[in-house]
Amino acid sequence: ILNVEQSPQSLHVQEGDSTNFTCSFPSSNFYALHWYRWETAKSPEALFVMTLNGDEKKKGRISATLNTKEGYSYLYIKGSQPEDSATYLCAFPGGYQKVTFGTGTKLQVIP
Amino acid sequence: DGGITQSPKYLFRKEGQNVTLSCEQNLNHDAMYWYRQDPGQGLRLIYYSQIVNDFQKGDIAEGYSVSREKKESFPLTVTSAQKNPTAFYLCAARQGVNEQFFGPGTRLTVL
Repeated sequence: ILNVEQSPQSLHVQEGDSTNFTCSFPSSNFYALHWYRWETAKSPEALFVMTLNGDEKKKGRISATLNTKEGYSYLYIKGSQPEDSATYLCAFPGGYQKVTFGTGTKLQVIP
Repeated sequence: DGGITQSPKYLFRKEGQNVTLSCEQNLNHDAMYWYRQDPGQGLRLIYYSQIVNDFQKGDIAEGYSVSREKKESFPLTVTSAQKNPTAFYLCAARQGVNEQFFGPGTRLTVL
């Protein structure tokens, strides 16, 4: 079983605060790293697909960075809003199409 | 509209019964997946299939079975051998190295 870890497990921030979470993954045999957002009562939706060391991706107030050599990725949210409240998952696609998810970071933004 | 459908949304099973969860996609994606989510945990991989007539065990395959006779369909059977089947089940599809797309999920409860 591949070890994909996320921290923290949960996070409460005030509206307007900026925050970040970490995903760590095996640094060998790297193919890609995915970030998903999972809102309550909805299906997980992809935020970013990251493939190259040093990749930085941005979507609105959310951005992500990737370090494949040391096996970690950071997700940043600038100026958190209540609608950002969700569970953020990272996923590590391995060989033969197997995809392993981390345990997720549950974010609660307090108005 | 392309997407993934799962049925039923809620399923109740008596102990000792087998039940089958449906997953259908019209995205024309080659790979399909089944995950399980338990409270406080991330998504754990049960089975996945790269192409028709081929499937691989994931990290928690014991007590489950699948088939992939058609590209668009990947049903999951929860057998009586699964000791703790009450959980939320998600189906996903993926093409190549891209992100996964998820269905709405099935919540299974054993009575």
